Amino acid sequence: NAGVTQTPKFQVLKTGQSMTLQCAQDMNHNSMYWYRQDPGMGLRLIYYSASEGTTDKGEVPNGYNVSRLNKREFSLRLESAAPSQTSVYFCASRPGQGLQYNEQFFGPGTRLTVL
Amino acid sequence: AQSVAQPEDQVNVAEGNPLTVKCTYSVSGNPYLFWYVQYPNRGLQFLLKYITGDNLVKGSYGFEAEFNKSQTSFHLKKPSALVSDSALYFCAVRDSGSGYSTLTFGKGTMLLVSP
Repeated sequence: NAGVTQTPKFQVLKTGQSMTLQCAQDMNHNSMYWYRQDPGMGLRLIYYSASEGTTDKGEVPNGYNVSRLNKREFSLRLESAAPSQTSVYFCASRPGQGLQYNEQFFGPGTRLTVL
Repeated sequence: AQSVAQPEDQVNVAEGNPLTVKCTYSVSGNPYLFWYVQYPNRGLQFLLKYITGDNLVKGSYGFEAEFNKSQTSFHLKKPSALVSDSALYFCAVRDSGSGYSTLTFGKGTMLLVSP
């Protein structure tokens, strides 16, 4: 199993450009998540999808959109990138509802720089 | 709303010495707590969790955590630190507002183990 994979690993954008970060998991997990990590801020949830067909806003959703394409794939789109979106982005997945399934499994991250 | 606090930005310890990384929490209802580790340029890896039961939870790589309800703490411990334990450590708590689908992370504590 590859686990959670993310593409690309690195990306440089100019202000105003758009791009989509891709995430896929091969663990048949129901829930998927997008986080951003900034120095001194920890991980902040952008959007999540508790199950296929649903998406919800997290703590910092402004400037982002998501698509749960199918059970495996969850993409994050920046429509008009801003320097404040310079960050490391992590995708994660979790098996499903229920107390015993609460661990999240993380991808390797995408390092995004917006100039 | 639930939250976790990691009061130390950095913890320094000599190899072979015991280590403690602190975490305190604030939740309404029963707390469900997690520790994750992040090595440089990698995604987060799950270490251990407290759901219910024994106050001492054992996890991966020789780590354990002590749950203390009266002090609302969930400190990460290891009896003998290794240089390879140097990494960024995150405490997290399960969110009740999202139907238990999401986690709130602390800001992280950098652990540096010197030879």
